[in-house]
Amino acid sequence: EVQLLESGGGLIQPGKSLRLACAASRFTFSNFAMTWVRQAPGKGLEWVAAISGNVNNTNYADSVKGRFTISRDNSKNILFLQMNSLRAEDTATYYCAKGRAYSVYDLDSWGQGTLVTVSS
Amino acid sequence: EIVLTQSPATVSLSPGERATLSCRASLSVANYLAWYQQKPGQAPRLLIYEVSNRATGIPDRFSGSGSGTDFTLTINSLEPEDFAVYYCQQRSLWPLTFGGGTKVEI
Repeated sequence: EVQLLESGGGLIQPGKSLRLACAASRFTFSNFAMTWVRQAPGKGLEWVAAISGNVNNTNYADSVKGRFTISRDNSKNILFLQMNSLRAEDTATYYCAKGRAYSVYDLDSWGQGTLVTVSS
Repeated sequence: EIVLTQSPATVSLSPGERATLSCRASLSVANYLAWYQQKPGQAPRLLIYEVSNRATGIPDRFSGSGSGTDFTLTINSLEPEDFAVYYCQQRSLWPLTFGGGTKVEI
């Protein structure tokens, strides 16, 4: 069974940076697209960023473009989300999710999420 | 961006009844429409991809239909574990977008 384990969340002040990681196991990581999806407390799902299996293609939500960077280390099976210039509205549980195929963004496996709280 | 509008926001049903959930897209998404289930305190789970294909391990009481801009998730004979929030999601165009969700409550 696919395993995705996020880490790196916590309480952070506005304007600061944070890097989330998602350790993947039990599947061939480099063969699959990966995404970050967030959920503010009591709200719905919001897609944040996506990266194809070979790292060549990345996409971002307008709300994070220029501030967040998605990346992956296929040699270590880890997905990252570098979050800069954090704002209060970035407060959410951040999930990493696996695409169903190389560049197919039906999200068939999800981590348990890591909570990011942006507050002074 | 493609806006997905789900209706109703909340539906109250009893175990054994049928749930019919709607998702309407602001532009055609072809067949690139998925459905997810989320229970309190849990991550979402993929139910249906490409309109009507059940994900691995999803019971056949869940079915999806539709095309273009109008889609439906049907849950036949609700089980107690089906009471949850359901989201649709499109991958036809960037950015990926989710609908606002439909809560199926007892």
